[in-house]
Amino acid sequence: NAGVTQTPKFQVLKTGQSMTLQCAQDMNHEYMSWYRQDPGMGLRLIHYSVGAGITDQGEVPNGYNVSRSTTEDFPLRLLSAAPSQTSVYFCATRNTGELFFGEGSRLTVL
Amino acid sequence: AQSVTQPDIHITVSEGASLELRCNYSYGATPYLFWYVQSPGQGLQLLLKYFSGDTLVQGIKGFEAEFKRSQSSFNLRKPSVHWSDAAEYFCAVGATFGNEKLTFGTGTRLTIIP
Repeated sequence: NAGVTQTPKFQVLKTGQSMTLQCAQDMNHEYMSWYRQDPGMGLRLIHYSVGAGITDQGEVPNGYNVSRSTTEDFPLRLLSAAPSQTSVYFCATRNTGELFFGEGSRLTVL
Repeated sequence: AQSVTQPDIHITVSEGASLELRCNYSYGATPYLFWYVQSPGQGLQLLLKYFSGDTLVQGIKGFEAEFKRSQSSFNLRKPSVHWSDAAEYFCAVGATFGNEKLTFGTGTRLTIIP
C-alpha cells in the first residue's frame, strides 16, 4: 500500500519555466490538498479538492493551478516559476479529519 | 480566522527527561486539534488528535496532549524522551470536523542530547 506518492522528489527550475508536481493516492480518499513548507512559516495550504472535478483555493494559491479529473490524482502546476516558489511541497489526503502526507517534493527556482 | 501559535522555535532536552511542547490556538468555537511530527526529509505523521470528549488524549509513541479551553492551549507532553523523538513537531487546528482549511503552527524543532 503506497499511500500518497509524490513525484519528483527534487527539481531545479529556472525562473519562468513551467512544471507539474504529481500526486497520486491509492487510499480512495475524496479530499486531497497541496501545502508548501517554508522555514519559520509552517505549512500553508495552496489548493485543495473535495472530490473529482472540484477544487478550491487555500491560503496561498497565487502562481499555482490544480485540477482533479480522477479520485487518485491531484497535480499541482506552476505555469511560470518564480524564486519565491522555492519550497518543499507536500500533497496530503484526508480521512475522518486526519491528513495523510506524501514525502514531499523539494523545488528550487533559480 | 483560526490561527495557531507555537511559541518555542527550538527546544533541547536530555534523553530520558520529560517534554512539553506548547501550542495555543485562536478560534471562537470548539476547535479540532492535531499534533503532527516530521522527521528530517519526511512527510508529516499524525501523533494524536482531539475532536471532543476527554480533554486528555493519548497518541502514538507515548505522547499525550491536553486540551484546555480556558487557556486556548493544546500542549504536547511525553514523560521520558528517546533519541528517536528528535524531529519537528507541528500543532494544527481545524474549525469543524473535516474542515478543509487545516491551519498549522510554525513548528517546534526538538533536539535530544545524550
